[in-house]
Amino acid sequence: ETGVTQTPRHLVMGMTNKKSLKCEQHLGHNAMYWYKQSAKKPLELMFVYSLEERVENNSVPSRFSPECPNSSHLFLHLHTLQPEDSALYLCASSQELAYGYTFGSGTRLTVV
Amino acid sequence: DAKTTQPPSMDCAEGRAANLPCNHSTISGNEYVYWYRQIHSQGPQYIIHGLKNNETNEMASLIITEDRKSSTLILPHATLRDTAVYYCIVDERGGSEKLVFGKGMKLTVNP
Repeated sequence: ETGVTQTPRHLVMGMTNKKSLKCEQHLGHNAMYWYKQSAKKPLELMFVYSLEERVENNSVPSRFSPECPNSSHLFLHLHTLQPEDSALYLCASSQELAYGYTFGSGTRLTVV
Repeated sequence: DAKTTQPPSMDCAEGRAANLPCNHSTISGNEYVYWYRQIHSQGPQYIIHGLKNNETNEMASLIITEDRKSSTLILPHATLRDTAVYYCIVDERGGSEKLVFGKGMKLTVNP
């Protein structure tokens, strides 16, 4: 365990389903991130939260909805996804922006 | 866009030193060099970072050239568990809101 815990580790969902990915950190970090990693592609930043406020949204489709209720928790709500959204979704945290990220193990999402 | 250039892959014999190069010719004065690695299907792991001086920790050493246009990550005694994709990233410490990962370099440690 790295100190950043993601659940579930694996998720299979239909295109009409609604699901949520959870990320939790108890490192005292004040910034949290969602990244997407598709097969054979570099990591793509999706969302950045600093002090529980969203500071970055990289043109992510609205079917992905992040939520950061407090500095220790980050969610990614999913609805009406497409098969091309199948990927490894990674959560990370850091004490200050862009310094020493700690990543979780990721959620492997398959959309059928 | 990633500001670094790395070879796509490299092989290394187990027990030998692995020297992983990275070019960052457009690095600015306040940008740090970061190294991460990602073992298959896991989240990336922070290795080391530096600004000007060479750095060493329990995982690796980072050698930055005097003009800061390139650097080398050194794994002194590579093991099979060091097989991973290694990412070299440049960014301002605390001044940017994201780390941009490129394609990285696949290091394969062979027995």
